Amino acid sequence: AQKITQTQPGMFVQEKEAVTLDCTYDTSDQSYGLFWYKQPSSGEMIFLIYQGSYDEQNATEGRYSLNFQKARKSANLVISASQLGDSAMYFCAMRGTLYNQGGKLIFGQGTELSVKP
Amino acid sequence: EAGVTQFPSHSVIEKGQTVTLRCDPISGHDNLYWYRRVMGKEIKFLLHFVKESKQDESGMPNNRFLAERTGGTYSTLKVQPAELEDSGVYFCASSQDRDSQQYFGPGTRLTVT
Repeated sequence: AQKITQTQPGMFVQEKEAVTLDCTYDTSDQSYGLFWYKQPSSGEMIFLIYQGSYDEQNATEGRYSLNFQKARKSANLVISASQLGDSAMYFCAMRGTLYNQGGKLIFGQGTELSVKP
Repeated sequence: EAGVTQFPSHSVIEKGQTVTLRCDPISGHDNLYWYRRVMGKEIKFLLHFVKESKQDESGMPNNRFLAERTGGTYSTLKVQPAELEDSGVYFCASSQDRDSQQYFGPGTRLTVT
């Protein structure tokens, strides 16, 4: 079965510093996708970044980068130059590609990030 | 282009009552997913529609939950009768195809008292 683990329930970071949010996964699929979503206090789920299992380069989107270590089965999110608006809940998710998966996402427990001024 | 919308944004009902949640996906998205997050736990998959057909309903917790997507456009998720443990946030997401990015709605916060 597929599983995502986020071991940090809460994290603090000083404004303008970088922070790494941990995510490890377990799957028997050879091909899969990894996602990070941000959920601010307003409640909506905002897509941040995607990494395919066969992508050789780590994904980057602006201040977000994904540190993908396939052998370790980890997909940590790195946020550079933290801003107050980055305070939110962050979810790591995985999508398998077996036909019967249907594209559904498996989520981790989430990490609540607080950015201090 | 309008995003995924959900109605209502918040619903408070008593145990034993019925509630119907609605999701309007992005126009043209054949794939529609329902997820929910109960307090303090991870977001869990409920079911997946492709057009009007249920592709995967393995995440539906029990037969008190009924999802429909008549005509392959909007979807409803009915909880009847609601129990206390059904409280949580129900998210809907849509995507153009199975491997595309899923766009999430703002969620419906359901509180059962």
